Amino acid sequence: AQTVTQSQPEMSVQEAETVTLSCTYDTSESDYYLFWYKQPPSRQMILVIRQEAYKQQNATENRFSVNFQKAAKSFSLKISDSQLGDAAMYFCAYTLIQGAQKLVFGQGTRLTINP
Amino acid sequence: EAGVVQSPRYKIIEKKQPVAFWCNPISGHNTLYWYLQNLGQGPELLIRYENEEAVDDSQLPKDRFSAERLKGVDSTLKIQPAELGDSAVYLCASSLDRVHGGRRNEQFFGPGTRLTVL
Repeated sequence: AQTVTQSQPEMSVQEAETVTLSCTYDTSESDYYLFWYKQPPSRQMILVIRQEAYKQQNATENRFSVNFQKAAKSFSLKISDSQLGDAAMYFCAYTLIQGAQKLVFGQGTRLTINP
Repeated sequence: EAGVVQSPRYKIIEKKQPVAFWCNPISGHNTLYWYLQNLGQGPELLIRYENEEAVDDSQLPKDRFSAERLKGVDSTLKIQPAELGDSAVYLCASSLDRVHGGRRNEQFFGPGTRLTVL
């Protein structure tokens, strides 16, 4: 069974600084997607960034980038120039590429931005 | 385009009462998911529909939970009777699979229904 582990229940960072959220996963599959979702207090899950496992290049979306280490099964999220609006729960998630499969989520990391 | 719509946003009931949640997915999305999110945890899949067929309901507690997706569009999740441990957020998501032109298994989530059982 696939599992996703986020070992940091809470993180905090000063506004404008950089923070990295950790995620590891376990799977025997070779083709899959990894995602980072943001969930603010409104509860709406918002996709932040995705990574296809077959791509060696790390995904980047504006201030958000990932460090994908397939052999180590590690998928960390780096947020640069942190903004107050980045405060939220962040969830790492995994899904298989084939078909419309379920997302397997980690436990989440609560990110606080200090002004 | 309109997003995934869920109602109600909040529901408070007494234990042993029935409750129902409704979800309207993004227009044209053929796959619909119901997730359960306990406080401080990540969501876990309850059931997945492809069109009107439930293709993964292995995590749905069938003694008290039921779901339907008539006509392959909107969906209802029901709990009868509710227990204290059912207090949680119930999230609905939808996606368009790649056969029908969807992008990379992206799921779009609704705002969820927060259920409190007293």
